Amino acid sequence: EVQLVESGGGLVQPGGSLKLSCAASGFTFSGSAIHWVRQASGKGLEWVGHIRIKTNNYATTYTASVKGRFTISRDDSKNTAYLQMNSLKTEDTAVYFCTRDYSHAVDVWGQGTTVTVSS
Amino acid sequence: QTVVTQEPSFSVSPGGTVTLTCGLSSGSVSTSYYPSWYQQTPGQPPRTLIYNTNTRSSGVPDRFSGSILGNKAALTITGAQADDESDYYCVLYMGNVIWVFGGGTKLTVL
Repeated sequence: EVQLVESGGGLVQPGGSLKLSCAASGFTFSGSAIHWVRQASGKGLEWVGHIRIKTNNYATTYTASVKGRFTISRDDSKNTAYLQMNSLKTEDTAVYFCTRDYSHAVDVWGQGTTVTVSS
Repeated sequence: QTVVTQEPSFSVSPGGTVTLTCGLSSGSVSTSYYPSWYQQTPGQPPRTLIYNTNTRSSGVPDRFSGSILGNKAALTITGAQADDESDYYCVLYMGNVIWVFGGGTKLTVL
């Protein structure tokens, strides 16, 4: 079964850091780009960023609001992608989903992990 | 900054047909934006319905279809059912490996 499982969410103070993980199974992880998408409570989905595969030098892109604060990485040996979040703001509070890239879209979604930024 | 626009809400009668749209605050949507569509019910992750304008994701019934209508991408649901009542999101590929979601449409079936 193709699956993505996020973990690492929690409560963090403004200005703090948190690292999310996305564990993949059931497909060739090293051959798939990965996106992170977030959703604040009661709000819509927001694309956060993307990491390409090794043959594309693991290149990353981000939405403007997180650029310079968030970093996406991956460890193909562990079938895991990561979202390092620094300088967190209250507006970063959301459920964070990792998703598999497919044909300029996403096809597989994890269940999400909740990040709360609050003092 | 370009905004992806969707109707905030829509309603359809059971058995009816509804078309949701996905546009740009500036410019027209074409297949070059690779529009995709996602369905989400409360408390659940999204489900991929359509990608690359009009290709249905695995397991998606053929009453869901995607297209370009005029200057927008469109998701048409034919023969709406009660469990189609969900939030629907489109995503556009803006180039340079950047994607933008629309604000979503809340579909009511009544």
